Amino acid sequence: AQKITQTQPGMFVQEKEAVTLDCTYDTSDPSYGLFWYKQPSSGEMIFLIYQGSYDQQNATEGRYSLNFQKARKSANLVISASQLGDSAMYFCAMRDDKIIFGKGTRLHILP
Amino acid sequence: DSGVTQTPKHLITATGQRVTLRCSPRSGDLSVYWYQQSLDQGLQFLIQYYNGEERAKGNILERFSAQQFPDLHSELNLSSLELGDSALYFCASSVGPLISYEQYFGPGTRLTVT
Repeated sequence: AQKITQTQPGMFVQEKEAVTLDCTYDTSDPSYGLFWYKQPSSGEMIFLIYQGSYDQQNATEGRYSLNFQKARKSANLVISASQLGDSAMYFCAMRDDKIIFGKGTRLHILP
Repeated sequence: DSGVTQTPKHLITATGQRVTLRCSPRSGDLSVYWYQQSLDQGLQFLIQYYNGEERAKGNILERFSAQQFPDLHSELNLSSLELGDSALYFCASSVGPLISYEQYFGPGTRLTVT
């Protein structure tokens, strides 16, 4: 069965430092996609980054990159040079024939 | 602003009642998704419609039903409400028929069942 696990319920990071948010997954489908969403305190969901299971290179979008390790079934989100505005809830998700989300990691950026 | 609208913003109702949540997708998007976000269950995919047809089904209860109308707006009907149905209900939209990784989420409807 599909499963997404985010083991860090909360993280505190100093501004300007890099952050890694962990995500592991499990699926028996050889074709799947992994992605991350951000949910600020205002509540809206914002798409950040996507990685397909057959993509050879790790996805990058500005300060966001996805560290995809297929053999380990992990899809960690890396945020470089964190900013105060990065404080939010972050969800890892997986898509095959449906979509499931992890429980989320609440990231606090400290000034 | 994602371009997805949801009404109402807040809804308070009693157990056993029935409510309807409404969603208008972003202009040009044919797929609509419904999600439930609660503290204990997290964010759960309920159902997807594409151009009026049900496309994918997640953890949607039998007490819940949805439809997408010819003008592409969608409604989520929740009946025989229980305290545990209290949650934030999101609608999202995307262009194509396959479940998209890049969905545009509405602001949500906060449902409180008392």
